Amino acid sequence: GESVGLHLPTLSVQEGDNSIINCAYSNSASDYFIWYKQESGKGPQFIIDIRSNMDKRQGQRVTVLLNKTVKHLSLQIAATQPGDSAVYFCAEKNGGSQGNLIFGKGTKLSVKP
Amino acid sequence: ETGVTQSPTHLIKTRGQQVTLRCSSQSGHNTVSWYQQALGQGPQFIFQYYREEENGRGNFPPRFSGLQFPNYSSELNVNALELDDSALYLCASSLAQGGFGGYTFGSGTRLTVV
Repeated sequence: GESVGLHLPTLSVQEGDNSIINCAYSNSASDYFIWYKQESGKGPQFIIDIRSNMDKRQGQRVTVLLNKTVKHLSLQIAATQPGDSAVYFCAEKNGGSQGNLIFGKGTKLSVKP
Repeated sequence: ETGVTQSPTHLIKTRGQQVTLRCSSQSGHNTVSWYQQALGQGPQFIFQYYREEENGRGNFPPRFSGLQFPNYSSELNVNALELDDSALYLCASSLAQGGFGGYTFGSGTRLTVV
């Protein structure tokens, strides 16, 4: 069935290091992917997105890479800061412009000072 | 520009009761989706509303129902509450037309069923 999952449930990095969070998806027809950050007691916060016609997209300190051949998505965070500690979810959009999002279980990122 | 607001923030209900959760969409957004997030899991799609009609539904029973109002705000109703309904309920608004991007989430309603 359709699913979005993450390879690692937890990730611990040192402050200042780069973080890489991975995600596998199974629906080759998905046309849009989003990374969300969720802090305790809050809703998911948009980080960065990418359409299926792109391989890479950069934001402020974040980069998303999409490899459609192996259905893999990654989020790279440069110079990770304590404020980056949270659970990170990738989500794929199902269907057309009004499609719902399918989320994975999330990766908990812990940043050590 | 206001974001997505949800009420109440926390709620405790008894098994068998009914509950109504509310969501105000972000300014300019006309589509509202509801998600259920169990502890330690990713959000699961319940349903979506566009132009006051249900426009897509996930794998949830009919006792989960909703409404969308002319101002694009929305309600989620759950009847005959079960213990497994305990979760964080998230509302997300988006702009349906050209709908890449703009999925803005509220902070959720934490529902506990005892």
